[in-house]
Amino acid sequence: GAGVSQSPSNKVTEKGKDVELRCDPISGHTALYWYRQSLGQGLEFLIYFQGNSAPDKSGLPSDRFSAERTGESVSTLTIQRTQQEDSAVYLCASSSTDRGRNTIYFGEGSWLTVV
Amino acid sequence: SQQGEEDPQALSIQEGENATMNCSYKTSINNLQWYRQNSGRGLVHLILIRSNEREKHSGRLRVTLDTSKKSSSLLITASRAADTASYFCATGSEKLVFGKGTKLTVNP
Repeated sequence: GAGVSQSPSNKVTEKGKDVELRCDPISGHTALYWYRQSLGQGLEFLIYFQGNSAPDKSGLPSDRFSAERTGESVSTLTIQRTQQEDSAVYLCASSSTDRGRNTIYFGEGSWLTVV
Repeated sequence: SQQGEEDPQALSIQEGENATMNCSYKTSINNLQWYRQNSGRGLVHLILIRSNEREKHSGRLRVTLDTSKKSSSLLITASRAADTASYFCATGSEKLVFGKGTKLTVNP
């Protein structure tokens, strides 16, 4: 597609339920990133994919968070047993891997509210 | 840990004035980027400056980089109300790490 697409754009879920967030990167982009942003805060790095592999999972906040990527394309971020502190915007981004010129392109984010 | 840290955290100016935002980082870099975010949605890339460059221009934007001080600045000249947004610097070759951003308000 023309840009990074994320779904759902908004999700309200009950505490304790699982949620799945989807990201469709720009076609041909091998690198994919997930970030989390709480209201009025900066971006918190969660995980980074190069192809289908995740060389850096250091930002995942807990074992309730997991992510996968298939076909060097779509990625899903899963949050199990959601807690209220998980409420945030989850931003996905993708880039080509032209080192030194790695502009990344963001989707519009998925707003998650845990009630 | 955060690589880039912007200051000020918030900046309020009048239309037509210049806005300057600063970014400091901790480790050596290949390049540094500035992004803009409107209303908590996706970020938009503004400009990339390489470690061997000292200054770069793009329209009303001017970015400087001082690798000896590990700092960069973003200057927006002749600001407009539409420039109201949060501005972030980011560093990293593969994994981009963002600062906490500067929230700029341009009053008409």
